[in-house]
Amino acid sequence: EVQLVDSGGGLVQPGGSLRLSCAASGFTFSNYDMHWVRQAPGKGLEWVSAIGVAGDTYYPGSVKGRFTISRENAKNSLYLQMNSLRTEDTALYYCARGNYSVSGSHFDYWGQGTLVTVSS
Amino acid sequence: AIQMTQSPSSLSASVGDRVTITCRASQGIRNDLGWYQQKPGKAPKVLIYAASSLQSGVPSRFSGSGSGTDFTLTISSLQPEDFATYYCLQDYNYPWTFGQGTKVEIK
Repeated sequence: EVQLVDSGGGLVQPGGSLRLSCAASGFTFSNYDMHWVRQAPGKGLEWVSAIGVAGDTYYPGSVKGRFTISRENAKNSLYLQMNSLRTEDTALYYCARGNYSVSGSHFDYWGQGTLVTVSS
Repeated sequence: AIQMTQSPSSLSASVGDRVTITCRASQGIRNDLGWYQQKPGKAPKVLIYAASSLQSGVPSRFSGSGSGTDFTLTISSLQPEDFATYYCLQDYNYPWTFGQGTKVEIK
């Protein structure tokens, strides 16, 4: 059974740092692109980052230069290092697996989310 | 970045109604669009990918159409379990972008 378990969230002051983790099981982790998606309280979904099987990384402008996505295939783990945190980064952060096929791509499995609160 | 404009932002409908949600991309994205359903307190769930491909296990009352810049999610006969928020997502190029969401409420 495919499982993604998010962890590492918490309360942090503006300007601080936090590292999120996503533990994957039930599939060959190294074969899949992985993503982070966040949702601020009462708001919509925002794609945050992606890492390909070759280690290529992608970010939106809102987090580029502050967040770093990484993966450790030997540990079936995905990470998100978040630096210079702002109050607007407060959100529930989900990891998600990217499923790519000839017909298209989508997120087929999601973690349960881990809550990050940036506040003084 | 590609902007995804989703409409309406909310709608009220009754069980059995046909419901249509639209998403417009700020530039052509071929058919690289998915639709996700999210219920309160839960992670999103994919319904449709590649604009019209039904994800395995998703009821056939859900369908998607469109290509280029204009896309539609249709629920042919709304069921009680379909009351939720729906999002489109373009995966044509990075940064991937979601629509603002459509909340489907009970009339």
